[in-house]
Amino acid sequence: DAGITQSPRHKVTETGTPVTLRCHQTENHRYMYWYRQDPGHGLRLIHYSYGVKDTDKGEVSDGYSVSRSKTEDFLLTLESATSSQTSVYFCAISGVQGDEQYFGPGTRLTVT
Amino acid sequence: QKEVEQDPGPLSVPEGAIVSLNCTYSNSAFQYFMWYRQYSRKGPELLMYTYSSGNKEDGRFTAQVDKSSKYISLFIRDSQPSDSATYLCARNAGNKLTFGGGTRVLVKP
Repeated sequence: DAGITQSPRHKVTETGTPVTLRCHQTENHRYMYWYRQDPGHGLRLIHYSYGVKDTDKGEVSDGYSVSRSKTEDFLLTLESATSSQTSVYFCAISGVQGDEQYFGPGTRLTVT
Repeated sequence: QKEVEQDPGPLSVPEGAIVSLNCTYSNSAFQYFMWYRQYSRKGPELLMYTYSSGNKEDGRFTAQVDKSSKYISLFIRDSQPSDSATYLCARNAGNKLTFGGGTRVLVKP
């Protein structure tokens, strides 16, 4: 998984609670991404980061925020979890050439 | 119209056959194209990427881009049961990936 870890790997939470997912990389790459994967929608970009403290929105950013205080860590926060945010969340990092993206193992989140 | 479209399958082939996968895209901006393989309950694994028209080979895999038709293809020669997975195509424009929905492939021994 290209030196990418995600934590937790599985989480069940209740509607209305905040949730933070963590992505950690050991490759020292500049770009990091958060995607969600849902049946019928495929993989969709939530937010991405192009450097420490530099982030931008993706296609489905509503209800999510991100932070990156260190090169190796990219956090995704669900401010108040809803059932529509039940999904599998993948972190990705850019490759050596800056265009290839490598994915982590995923976090399976269930909001009840 | 979705930016990247794929037939969801499933596509079932006998072992040793050629697997042929296709995607269409709608945006003409300069971009890269990528193919990922995803096993059940795992993260996508990058197989190939290309930005030019024509063919690119890597072992049993060949990626093909036809920019005039906005069509990208992946061919897997001598398919094996271990190739059974979902295959995702994606376009990369400005470091942002847009994915197709994926095609599920089943290679039967």
